[in-house]
Amino acid sequence: GAVVSQHPSRVICKSGTSVKIECRSLDFQATTMFWYRQFPKQSLMLMATSNEGSKATYEQGVEKDKFLINHASLTLSTLTVTSAHPEDSSFYICSARGVGIREKLFFGSGTQLSVL
Amino acid sequence: AQTVTQSQPEMSVQEAETVTLSCTYDTSENNYYLFWYKQPPSRQMILVIRQEAYKQQNATENRFSVNFQKAAKSFSLKISDSQLGDTAMYFCAFMKRQNNDMRFGAGTRLTVKP
Repeated sequence: GAVVSQHPSRVICKSGTSVKIECRSLDFQATTMFWYRQFPKQSLMLMATSNEGSKATYEQGVEKDKFLINHASLTLSTLTVTSAHPEDSSFYICSARGVGIREKLFFGSGTQLSVL
Repeated sequence: AQTVTQSQPEMSVQEAETVTLSCTYDTSENNYYLFWYKQPPSRQMILVIRQEAYKQQNATENRFSVNFQKAAKSFSLKISDSQLGDTAMYFCAFMKRQNNDMRFGAGTRLTVKP
């Protein structure tokens, strides 16, 4: 099956710094990637949708200047948490839709962000 | 907007028995997919089963089957012969066919007891 690699799996940073999370489709081209956030014992909440070569579409309530998303190629999308604060601590998961594969999304393994 | 409701925050079942997890959804769409995902402690999202809304036949994957009632907007998951490895969070999800916008329910924590 299709593989989505997400790195890092865990990151600890100081408050005020920026953190970049990468989501790569390893064996397929991903025209669309999705970023989710999951708080402990809660569900996945869609943050934004990124399409290759265009600006990301953010869900209501998600600050686009804080969560910068770049989808510069068909195999890579990045999420940068800028000026991170403790309340940004969460589990972030990406998923990808392959070209011609409309009915499936493939998930990365997630990134646990802890902001001190 | 689509909403997905899982009304059972936690459930438990004895090993080898059968358990059913409930899910309802609300949508005005006609073309969509429904999914059940398993999230074990590793937090990797694992696809359990998928159902196309235009198919009347209920999807089945080995010990996992669904009861899809389109008119009632219900999509329950039945796990037969439960195994200890089935212990996990289970999320019901709805995805519009048009744009792959996937929305998740709140989840049901399933514990399989030996």
